[in-house]
Amino acid sequence: AQKITQTQPGMFVQEKEAVTLDCTYDTSDQSYGLFWYKQPSSGEMIFLIYQGSYDEQNATEGRYSLNFQKARKSANLVISASQLGDSAMYFCAMRVIQGAQKLVFGQGTRLTINP
Amino acid sequence: KAGVTQTPRYLIKTRGQQVTLSCSPISGHRSVSWYQQTPGQGLQFLFEYFSETQRNKGNFPGRFSGRQFSNSRSEMNVSTLELGDSALYLCASSLVGAEAFFGQGTRLTVV
Repeated sequence: AQKITQTQPGMFVQEKEAVTLDCTYDTSDQSYGLFWYKQPSSGEMIFLIYQGSYDEQNATEGRYSLNFQKARKSANLVISASQLGDSAMYFCAMRVIQGAQKLVFGQGTRLTINP
Repeated sequence: KAGVTQTPRYLIKTRGQQVTLSCSPISGHRSVSWYQQTPGQGLQFLFEYFSETQRNKGNFPGRFSGRQFSNSRSEMNVSTLELGDSALYLCASSLVGAEAFFGQGTRLTVV
């Protein structure tokens, strides 16, 4: 069975610092996708970044980058120069069936940015 | 470009009633999936529809059902509501094989 593990229930970071949110995954599939989503208190899940299992380069999107270590089965999210608006829940997710849209989510990390 | 729209945003129902939630995907997206989010269980996949056909289903009882219309809009229905069905229900749409974009969710409270 596929599984996502996020070991940090909560993190507190000073504004402008970089932050790394941990994510490890378990799957026997060779082809899979890894996603990070941000969920503010409003409830909407906001797509941040995607990494395919065959992608050789780590994904980057603006201040977000994904540190993908396939052998260790980890896909950590790095947020550079954190901002107050980054305070939210962050979820790591895996797409388990190629082409279909079934996502398995981790339990999430609540990130709080302090001024 | 309009995002994923879910209606209603909030809903209060009584045990034993049934409820229907609606999801309008991003224009051009044919895949619509539904998730239940609770504090205890986290985010759990309910089902996915593509071109009016259910393509995948999660481990939920038969009281949870859904459908998709020819314009890709989707509805999910929960019959005989239980207190444990109180949750945030999220709908997501996507192009084939691409990232999923989520709506703001419907917060259902069963009393």
